[in-house]
Amino acid sequence: DIQMTQSPSVLSASVGDRVTLNCKGSQNINKYLNWYQQKLGEAPKLLIYNTNNLQTGVPSRFSGSGFGTDYTLTISSLQPEDVATYFCFQHNSWPTFGAGTRLELK
Amino acid sequence: QVQLKETGPGLVQPTQTLSITCTVSGFSLTSYYMQWVRQTPGKGLEWMGFIRSGGSTEYNSEFKSRLSISRDTSKNQVFLKMNSLKTEDTGVYYCARNFDYWGQGVMVTVSS
Repeated sequence: DIQMTQSPSVLSASVGDRVTLNCKGSQNINKYLNWYQQKLGEAPKLLIYNTNNLQTGVPSRFSGSGFGTDYTLTISSLQPEDVATYFCFQHNSWPTFGAGTRLELK
Repeated sequence: QVQLKETGPGLVQPTQTLSITCTVSGFSLTSYYMQWVRQTPGKGLEWMGFIRSGGSTEYNSEFKSRLSISRDTSKNQVFLKMNSLKTEDTGVYYCARNFDYWGQGVMVTVSS
């Protein structure tokens, strides 16, 4: 199975900051990488699919990039409603999730 | 609009069988893969398996021996059955259309 490692595990940032979350696969995942946002008590919500495609209805401050084993989710200007845990997910082979990055307000 | 909702028992005894139903609306089960994912305190988010639009299934090897996924297209329902439950199977179980739309999840506690 492909292991997905997210960093950092916890990130504190201020409103308006540019925020970058990282995800690294144990092998090449050919851009089959999704990002999900999960708020407390809710189901994961798809933000980005296949590395850099914004899901319908997701604010344009979210963007994704990467290739090979290394991928990034960027929030261009952090908003209070972005406080959540963010998971990366690969579906290049049998699907696996990262452990998540918890995003907090400073 | 696309909607998914899981229903299940809430509490299951160790060694017993878990049965969860996912009822969908706004799309056809014959057009999409349906996934099952769980979230446990010990292992986080885990893909469990899927049923293809054509009805065939694939399972995570972690669960293969005790998991079964099926569906009833006439009722717009997908079913998860997992036997030989252990306390570490306690968590929230989600169905998802492909991996874009997810249900709200159902909390399952395995305890005597």
